[in-house]
Amino acid sequence: EAQVTQNPRYLITVTGKKLTVTCSQNMNHEYMSWYRQDPGLGLRQIYYSMNVEVTDKGDVPEGYKVSRKEKRNFPLILESPSPNQTSLYFCASSLSGKEKLFFGSGTQLSVL
Amino acid sequence: GENVEQHPSTLSVQEGDSAVIKCTYSDSASNYFPWYKQELGKRPQLIIDIRSNVGEKKDQRIAVTLNKTAKHFSLHITETQPEDSAVYFCAASRHGSGNTGKLIFGQGTTLQVKP
Repeated sequence: EAQVTQNPRYLITVTGKKLTVTCSQNMNHEYMSWYRQDPGLGLRQIYYSMNVEVTDKGDVPEGYKVSRKEKRNFPLILESPSPNQTSLYFCASSLSGKEKLFFGSGTQLSVL
Repeated sequence: GENVEQHPSTLSVQEGDSAVIKCTYSDSASNYFPWYKQELGKRPQLIIDIRSNVGEKKDQRIAVTLNKTAKHFSLHITETQPEDSAVYFCAASRHGSGNTGKLIFGQGTTLQVKP
């Protein structure tokens, strides 16, 4: 089944403790992206990747890192999480970035 | 920077009525405009999209119109049903030469269809 898999679904952590949210797609998509969703703010793009080893900042990249060493994986790294990063995070992919996005099931992150 | 404004933030209609959600974008080079529907507790899913070379696109009860001169586009849902209740997001991006890979979403519209 074609899908974007995110893990974990829920995560509670404390300020400053490094964490990684994984994202994997099995559709051979070139384009992958991370979004955070906050009430009243919609979906805001954090980082995106047009292909392996190519990543670019979205609108809200501060406090986040990404890597794209393999086509299928695009992990989101929070080196030193802070409470303002408490949010619902979505990973998404598409064939080339010019068409329908397939979203993962989301990761609800709480930073205490 | 690029921006997409979406209105209204909430919309309540009676079953069978029409619903219209409007978005305005700032980047005149934007040429791809998708709409996503997000049901409660679920992931966003594409319902319709339009590219800048057309002014209107229709898929059963859903239609999208685009006015490039005014830099706005709208989602029209006719004969609304309770299962249309969800949050709807518009988005805009630039593809082709000068492709930035950025996809800017609006703030979302919560649509409630009352039986």
